[in-house]
Amino acid sequence: DTGVSQDPRHKITKRGQNVTFRCDPISEHNRLYWYRQTLGQGPEFLTYFQNEAQLEKSRLLSDRFSAERPKGSFSTLEIQRTEQGDSAMYLCASSLSETENSPLHFGNGTRLTVT
Amino acid sequence: AQSVAQPEDQVNVAEGNPLTVKCTYSVSGNPYLFWYVQYPNRGLQFLLKYITGDNLVKGSYGFEAEFNKSQTSFHLKKPSALVSDSALYFCAVSPLTGRRALTFGSGTRLQVQP
Repeated sequence: DTGVSQDPRHKITKRGQNVTFRCDPISEHNRLYWYRQTLGQGPEFLTYFQNEAQLEKSRLLSDRFSAERPKGSFSTLEIQRTEQGDSAMYLCASSLSETENSPLHFGNGTRLTVT
Repeated sequence: AQSVAQPEDQVNVAEGNPLTVKCTYSVSGNPYLFWYVQYPNRGLQFLLKYITGDNLVKGSYGFEAEFNKSQTSFHLKKPSALVSDSALYFCAVSPLTGRRALTFGSGTRLQVQP
């Protein structure tokens, strides 16, 4: 069990550019979540997948955000035409779906800074 | 809509003293309740959860939490604080049915003084 891995750890980009983040969940976990965390706040839910199916998207997830999990393993989160308000820590988590109360296992996050 | 309130931004306690970090929640129906801890530059780590049954739940590192349905609270406790417990603590809730994703509180910073 190598844990949830996120890449890159840090990303600095100019406003208007596109960015893509990757998350590799724990291998046997079929649920994958994306959260966003800003300073002084708790994580805010963005979206989640069960296997390759995207089952829920938050209203926070504007049309500039898109997430995929094409083979039910790793996931990518893309932000198009970045804005300064997108600066945040983007957290990925995974869990088993066998029981609804399976704890989430979080990665260390990708910190995005939009200049 | 579900929500979590952590009324204290920071809790200060002396090493060896008991600690309490407060959490109240709002959810339709019965809740799943969780506590997570976040150390600097690290991801959130699961501490404990309440699903059903005994209102006192024991978790990692000597932490426990007490579920109180009438007060819709799920306070985190530890009988004797350690300096190494200093971190950011998040309470989270989801309903037993329906929306799966956890809703987190804004966090409480615990500072344990030697």
